[in-house]
Amino acid sequence: DTGVSQDPRHKITKRGQNVTFRCDPISEHNRLYWYRQTLGQGPEFLTYFQNEAQLEKSRLLSDRFSAERPKGSFSTLEIQRTEQGDSAMYLCASSLVENGQYFGPGTRLTVT
Amino acid sequence: ELKVEQNPLFLSMQEGKNYTIYCNYSTTSDRLYWYRQDPGKSLESLFVLLSNGAVKQEGRLMASLDTKARLSTLHITAAVHDLSATYFCAARLMYSGGGADGLTFGKGTHLIIQP
Repeated sequence: DTGVSQDPRHKITKRGQNVTFRCDPISEHNRLYWYRQTLGQGPEFLTYFQNEAQLEKSRLLSDRFSAERPKGSFSTLEIQRTEQGDSAMYLCASSLVENGQYFGPGTRLTVT
Repeated sequence: ELKVEQNPLFLSMQEGKNYTIYCNYSTTSDRLYWYRQDPGKSLESLFVLLSNGAVKQEGRLMASLDTKARLSTLHITAAVHDLSATYFCAARLMYSGGGADGLTFGKGTHLIIQP
C-alpha cells in the first residue's frame, strides 16, 4: 500500500497526559499537512511542512501542540497536557507540489 | 479570512434523480477541491479545479468552478445508492506572492440516496 499511513488509528488518553501521533506520507510527496476534524464538521487546518520546514501554522495550533518532520519524510504531532476539547480525528495529508492533497486514515483521539 | 459555505448541508434524494451541491467561498482562491468521506473513513480526493471555467467529470459526478462568482458546483447525474456519502469542498486562500497551502473546508453535504 503506497498511500498515507497514520499510527495509531485510535488513542484513548486521560486528561493531562501527552500523546504523539505519527504520519508517513506517500513516499515521493514533499508536502505534508495536519488537520483536525470533529464530528459533523469539515477538517480544520493545523500545520504544513514542505520537506522538513514547517511553513504554516494555524491559530488553532496552541502552544500545547507541536509538530515535526525531522528528515522531510514522516511527521509527528504531539499534544501536551491533553484536554477534553482535543478529542477529534487527526488527519494527515500529503501532496507533490500542487497536485491535490491525499489524506491518511486518521487517528481518532478520545480524551477522558 | 477565507470562509467556505456549502449548500445544502443535508440532502436526501432518490436514485435516478439529478442534483447539485453548491460551494461558495468568501475571498480570492486559486483552486478548489472536492472530497468524499464515508462514515468513519478518511477523505477521498474527487476533483481539483485550478482555473476559472474548469470542468471535470468522473462517472456520475461533475464539478465546475467560477472564480468570478466564487462558486463551485458538484453535479450528480442519475444518482445511485453507492454515491451516498458526505461531500466536502475546500479552497486555498490566496495572498500576495502566492497561496496558503492549508485548505479551508466547508461543513460538508451529507447526501443520502434512497432506492
